Amino acid sequence: EVQLVESGGGLVKPGGSLRLSCAVSGFTFSDYSMNWVRQAPGKGLEWVSSISGGSTYIYYADSVKGRFIISRDNAKNSLDLQMNSLRAEDTAVYYCARDRRRTPNGAFDVWGQGTMVTVSS
Amino acid sequence: DIQMTQSPSSLSASVGDRVTITCQASQDINKYLNWYQQKPGKAPKVLIYDASNLETGVPSRFSGSGSGTDFTFTISSLQPEDIATYYCQQHDNLPYTFGQGTKLEIK
Repeated sequence: EVQLVESGGGLVKPGGSLRLSCAVSGFTFSDYSMNWVRQAPGKGLEWVSSISGGSTYIYYADSVKGRFIISRDNAKNSLDLQMNSLRAEDTAVYYCARDRRRTPNGAFDVWGQGTMVTVSS
Repeated sequence: DIQMTQSPSSLSASVGDRVTITCQASQDINKYLNWYQQKPGKAPKVLIYDASNLETGVPSRFSGSGSGTDFTFTISSLQPEDIATYYCQQHDNLPYTFGQGTKLEIK
């Protein structure tokens, strides 16, 4: 069974940092691009970042560029999102999502259950 | 960025009704349009990919059509378990963008 399980969310002060992780199982991790998508409370979905299967291609939304870093460890079947200089507007549920292809394509076919990040003083 | 405009924002229908949601892109996105279903407190689930392809395991009452800038999502016979918010999403260009969602309720 294909599974994505996020962890690392929590409460952090503005300007602080947090590292999210996504543990995957049930498929050959390196064959797929991976993504982070977020959803602010009561709001819609926003794509955050993508990384290709071999980490060659990495993309960010303008809203997080320069502050967030996406990475993956194919040996450990793990996807990470390092979030720095956090702002109140980064408060959201963060989902990891699998892409259909090895190269980022934006076609998300499997999603984790999400982890909540709250940025507040 | 490509803007995705869904309509309606909310919809109330009866069990057995045919339900249609539309999504318009601000520029040509070919066929690169997905539809997701999100139930309260749950992650989104893909129903339709590349405008008209039914994801494996999704009931055949769900369908999608369109290309270019105008797309349609249809539930042929609404079931109680279909109560959710539905989102369209384009993946033709970065940044990938979503519609604002359509909240579907039972009348």
